Amino acid sequence: LAKTTQPISMDSYEGQEVNITCSHNNIATNDYITWYQQFPSQGPRFIIQGYKTKVTNEVASLFIPADRKSSTLSLPRVSLSDTAVYYCLVEAGTALIFGKGTTLSVSS
Amino acid sequence: GAVVSQHPSWVICKSGTSVKIECRSLDFQATTMFWYRQFPKQSLMLMATSNEGSKATYEQGVEKDKFLINHASLTLSTLTVTSAHPEDSSFYICSARDRTDTGELFFGEGSRLTVL
Repeated sequence: LAKTTQPISMDSYEGQEVNITCSHNNIATNDYITWYQQFPSQGPRFIIQGYKTKVTNEVASLFIPADRKSSTLSLPRVSLSDTAVYYCLVEAGTALIFGKGTTLSVSS
Repeated sequence: GAVVSQHPSWVICKSGTSVKIECRSLDFQATTMFWYRQFPKQSLMLMATSNEGSKATYEQGVEKDKFLINHASLTLSTLTVTSAHPEDSSFYICSARDRTDTGELFFGEGSRLTVL
């Protein structure tokens, strides 16, 4: 299974755009890239999933370059409630293996 | 959207007792469910893959006799922590994928186990 690498932590202020980049050099052809958000003492929550180029939904955008060896989660205009741990995973319909994740702290 | 529910959300037990945690997919059928364990300030660690009607597949280092997994139906998987000890205290999370959809994996709310 492809291993992912993310920054351990990031700090931001309310209203700013936050971009979290994840590297997955060994991604396989069948792997999708999925991002999850987790608050303390809760299960992870799906944010967005993509295979290549750009995907956008109501909460985030996901940018994936042509080589697919990295991906960037973009959170527009973060708020205090976006403070959480964000996990980048690559998978092909099997179990998800979680890396260490990125702890995002949003301040006012 | 699809919902995965865990019960109990928090359980405290004495050392040496066994505790059962249930994971249910409420509005979809899940051929496969996954069990994770998460210690404070750490990431989720996959413990086992639970397959409906067959034996679970355990990850390396996870004692199958310690963590009994049963997946008797397409909507229910149970994790039993046998002869629990304080080091088993952790946050246990299950997840399930809709068998008709290979996309999103849905996670339960998690169950916190505290062994005294």
